[in-house]
Amino acid sequence: QAALTQPASVSGSPGQSITISCTGSSSDVGSYDLVSWYQQYPGKVPKLMIYDVNKRPSGVSNRFSGSKSGNTASLTISGLQAEDEADYYCCSHTRSYTYVFGPGTKLTVL
Amino acid sequence: QVQLQESGPGLVKPSETLSVTCTVSGDSISNYYWTWIRQPPGKGLEWIGYVHYRQSAIYNPSLRSRFTMSIDTSRNQFFLKVTSAAAADTAIYYCASGGPYPVAYLPWFDPWGQGTLVTVSS
Repeated sequence: QAALTQPASVSGSPGQSITISCTGSSSDVGSYDLVSWYQQYPGKVPKLMIYDVNKRPSGVSNRFSGSKSGNTASLTISGLQAEDEADYYCCSHTRSYTYVFGPGTKLTVL
Repeated sequence: QVQLQESGPGLVKPSETLSVTCTVSGDSISNYYWTWIRQPPGKGLEWIGYVHYRQSAIYNPSLRSRFTMSIDTSRNQFFLKVTSAAAADTAIYYCASGGPYPVAYLPWFDPWGQGTLVTVSS
């Protein structure tokens, strides 16, 4: 199945905002509001941060927000903190009723 | 609160069958969709598929032929089998909930188990 694309790395200073993009196609990201985002620390289990493009599960900081435009979904982290340094993966539902992850983006807090 | 725990063989020889079990606690396995996701060491996440006992399993089309998921409601467990294992199947295998049944689409993968590392090597 077609792959999603994410930047390999992004960085920002504490207090700044950063955005991680997730670009797919009209067969996945562009067709459904079914994009989720996961945060993963090294050696740890991935954690759900955003689902249905822009919904936050209970307990996730409101510094994390999601959006979508066309075939590209985005995760924005505002008020960047050192604890946000992690890998971030997007995931999208596809027209084949399957799911696909992006390759992941490493966020570095400078 | 649903909790998941994977168990696996640790080491599998090439060409053998790799089997992983996910044990669900805290709720009935019948109430949710269940998914498998793997992560090769140092690499990204790969979605394998999802299952519910009332539906045929759905697989990543890139992996379908060697992968089989099943579910045992009496033991509150679900399973993944990978035939003809190869070095490329070396990964941490995670099980996760795909959300409550029934829905048209899985809204999320949450919660996750701790993962079990399976190494394919002679």
